[in-house]
Amino acid sequence: GQQVMQIPQYQHVQEGEDFTTYCNSSTTLSNIQWYKQRPGGHPVFLIQLVKSGEVKKQKRLTFQFGEAKKNSSLHITATQTTDVGTYFCAGTDSWGKFQFGAGTQVVVTP
Amino acid sequence: EAQVTQNPRYLITVTGKKLTVTCSQNMNHEYMSWYRQDPGLGLRQIYYSMNVEVTDKGDVPEGYKVSRKEKRNFPLILESPSPNQTSLYFCASSYLGQGGKNYGYTFGSGTRLTVV
Repeated sequence: GQQVMQIPQYQHVQEGEDFTTYCNSSTTLSNIQWYKQRPGGHPVFLIQLVKSGEVKKQKRLTFQFGEAKKNSSLHITATQTTDVGTYFCAGTDSWGKFQFGAGTQVVVTP
Repeated sequence: EAQVTQNPRYLITVTGKKLTVTCSQNMNHEYMSWYRQDPGLGLRQIYYSMNVEVTDKGDVPEGYKVSRKEKRNFPLILESPSPNQTSLYFCASSYLGQGGKNYGYTFGSGTRLTVV
């Protein structure tokens, strides 16, 4: 069955630095979504990517969907303390199965 | 305000005592789902519903029941809770697009359940 894997599991970042988290699927995805969960909070939908090679930006966040539609990345520039949290990707495979990755927990050091 | 409302936020119960976690959404979403979140395992789907009276098992349905009698409500029932059901539970809803794809979930605030 479909497996959605995220790396790294944990990311310690110095404030002001950039980092990237990756999402990889064992099967081709029809779409990929990204969510952010603040500590003690609930997941909040950030964005959906649908097209091969698609790139979308939200302020300091850049989301990319791979050409083969089997991977995705989230790049954050100039990390701030407000970026703390766990970032989840979630994908839909060609059979309509929707699955979350295990998440990347981001800790920001001032 | 568009939202998914879960109750209770926190619940401590004893093994075997039936409980219900309620979930209600005010966005007229077709799709509703229950997830459990455990450390290192991410969000795992328990049950989902694509419309009224239509429910189906997710990845970890054992020990849980759901119902969808009205579009806005999707309660999660634990008939005989056990300690391995101690977890953080989230209800989520979304519109359904072509091919049954969701357009992005709106999550409730979560219910932290402890079974002793």
